[in-house]
Amino acid sequence: RKEVEQDPGPFNVPEGATVAFNCTYSNSASQSFFWYRQDCRKEPKLLMSVYSSGNEDGRFTAQLNRASQYISLLIRDSKLSDSATYLCVVTKGGGSYIPTFGRGTSLIVHP
Amino acid sequence: GAVVSQHPSWVICKSGTSVKIECRSLDFQATTMFWYRQFPKQSLMLMATSNEGSKATYEQGVEKDKFLINHASLTLSTLTVTSAHPEDSSFYICSARDSGLNSPLHFGNGTRLTVT
Repeated sequence: RKEVEQDPGPFNVPEGATVAFNCTYSNSASQSFFWYRQDCRKEPKLLMSVYSSGNEDGRFTAQLNRASQYISLLIRDSKLSDSATYLCVVTKGGGSYIPTFGRGTSLIVHP
Repeated sequence: GAVVSQHPSWVICKSGTSVKIECRSLDFQATTMFWYRQFPKQSLMLMATSNEGSKATYEQGVEKDKFLINHASLTLSTLTVTSAHPEDSSFYICSARDSGLNSPLHFGNGTRLTVT
């Protein structure tokens, strides 16, 4: 089983739709969790950190479920500019603190 | 916010030559930097963890003699691809944290290497 797994998609949604992505991780000792956005041929950019209590930033909501070992990202009122690949990042625990990336989920928002 | 600068943004070189990529933290000190490689339509794969003042830690399957990493200061890490071959053509990205071990990574803009 991969350390961090994501459905690669693509998720093809119309503008204004709500879309949700999940990401599962295998190491129960994982310490920190993030969602990044990567545009084609560009470096990843931090979208938001993910906490057990959940956090929201405008149209984006992230949630962590430690018991089931997954994190989620919800995007409301999708915009054309949200089209990108969304990367789940999990930092290992146990002293290494090495960040591991999921393969990414591709989102395409169409008019 | 924290800025990581990577240079060059792209490079084309002939097979057999060596290429050096620089990664700088511009407004913070980074004792640890991470080097990733990404092939088209694939995920970022960690190549190595660069540690200031000591040897880099390489991931399984990454040849340390081929991908030389030097982290001589708290703001600079370099990756040298030695004797590059066409299969080394990829997108190389460095990253660093600007604070605690659980803080997010900040990425350089990446280097697109093409070996002909």
